[in-house]
Amino acid sequence: EAGVAQSPRYKIIEKRQSVAFWCNPISGHATLYWYQQILGQGPKLLIQFQNNGVVDDSQLPKDRFSAERLKGVDSTLKIQPAKLEDSAVYLCASSLASGRAWSYNEQFFGPGTRLTVL
Amino acid sequence: SQQGEEDPQALSIQEGENATMNCSYKTSINNLQWYRQNSGRGLVHLILIRSNEREKHSGRLRVTLDTSKKSSSLLITASRAADTASYFCATGSGNTPLVFGKGTRLSVIA
Repeated sequence: EAGVAQSPRYKIIEKRQSVAFWCNPISGHATLYWYQQILGQGPKLLIQFQNNGVVDDSQLPKDRFSAERLKGVDSTLKIQPAKLEDSAVYLCASSLASGRAWSYNEQFFGPGTRLTVL
Repeated sequence: SQQGEEDPQALSIQEGENATMNCSYKTSINNLQWYRQNSGRGLVHLILIRSNEREKHSGRLRVTLDTSKKSSSLLITASRAADTASYFCATGSGNTPLVFGKGTRLSVIA
């Protein structure tokens, strides 16, 4: 079974530039998550999708971050414009969860995209 | 905000020894999960324990949960160099997203 795919693996940009990350979840997984992981910390949820609808985006800095999952499969996360504090690893995860008790479901993570903002 | 808080932040042991990591949390949960993250990789799910369970085993892993103390522990027995990684607890409560702690960095020295 193929895992969660993410690209690119690494990205270096200057502040105020734009960047986009792509994620393809495990086939059949209804729920998709984007996390931000700053060095030395645990993952922080940015946005959760159920199929192509947003379930939770309370911690997404909406003035600069946006995400979409148009066909309920793959997803993109964009930052525009980037700030120095956006330097982090951006992790995508997916789970089978299709009901409301999604916290019970095992999440499968991709390898992440390491973003450096100079 | 991060609910789970792992202790210790870092742990270094010899191969063959047991490693114990603890997780404390603040609000009520209905499940707690442990994940492992190898350097430069994504997280891998290890085990889930529900709030009505006190202990769970999976291979060399043993997880306990004490809801009265709002704490959990992860024990890795007979550790191997390949167990070197960061370990995170994540707390769940129904239809709210999982909240991850800051992790424990485990180093197993061969």
